[in-house]
Amino acid sequence: EIVMTQSPATLSVSPGERATLSCRASQSIKTNLAWYQQKPGQAPRLLIYDASTRATGIPARFSGSGSGTEFTLTISSLQSEDSVIYYCQQYNNWPPFFGGGTKVEIK
Amino acid sequence: QVQLQESGPGLVKPSETLSLTCSVSGASISGYYWNWIRQSPGKGLEWIGYIFHSGSTNHNPSLESRVTMSTDTSKNQFSLRLSSVTAADTAVYYCAKSGFCSGSTCRNNWYFDVWGRGALVTVSS
Repeated sequence: EIVMTQSPATLSVSPGERATLSCRASQSIKTNLAWYQQKPGQAPRLLIYDASTRATGIPARFSGSGSGTEFTLTISSLQSEDSVIYYCQQYNNWPPFFGGGTKVEIK
Repeated sequence: QVQLQESGPGLVKPSETLSLTCSVSGASISGYYWNWIRQSPGKGLEWIGYIFHSGSTNHNPSLESRVTMSTDTSKNQFSLRLSSVTAADTAVYYCAKSGFCSGSTCRNNWYFDVWGRGALVTVSS
């Protein structure tokens, strides 16, 4: 089983500033990584797949990068509605596995 | 667009079987892979398994042999049964779509692009 570790657990960012979230895999997963956003009381929403491809309808301020074991989700200019929880998920190895999440707060 | 909706009992007694159904609208159940994922405070997000319209299934080995999944193509629904539940199975259960079919070729890409709203299931006597 591949373990996914997200950091930091909580990230405080001022409105309009850049937010950088990290996800590390316990072994190489190439670019088989997805990012999800989860608002309170809602299901996760797919933001990014294949490490860097935005899903349909996702704003351009969200971008993903990385390969192998180190990945990054960047929100280029934080909006108030972005202050929620983000999860990464690997799908290179079976079974698919999610990280523990990063909560983004408005500073 | 594709929409999913979970339904089923919100309370299940320990040692009994949890049963949930996911109703699919906006897409045929024959064209994709249909997953169950759960979320609990203690274990975060956990993939339970998927079913394909052909009936083939795949589930997380952490759940051993407690998982059964099925489809009802006439109703465009798929279902989950989880047996011998304990308090550790208390969670919000989501159904989710993955993969795609192009012609006669289908591929599961293993990320989840449409989710239901979730159903809270509590295991308690």
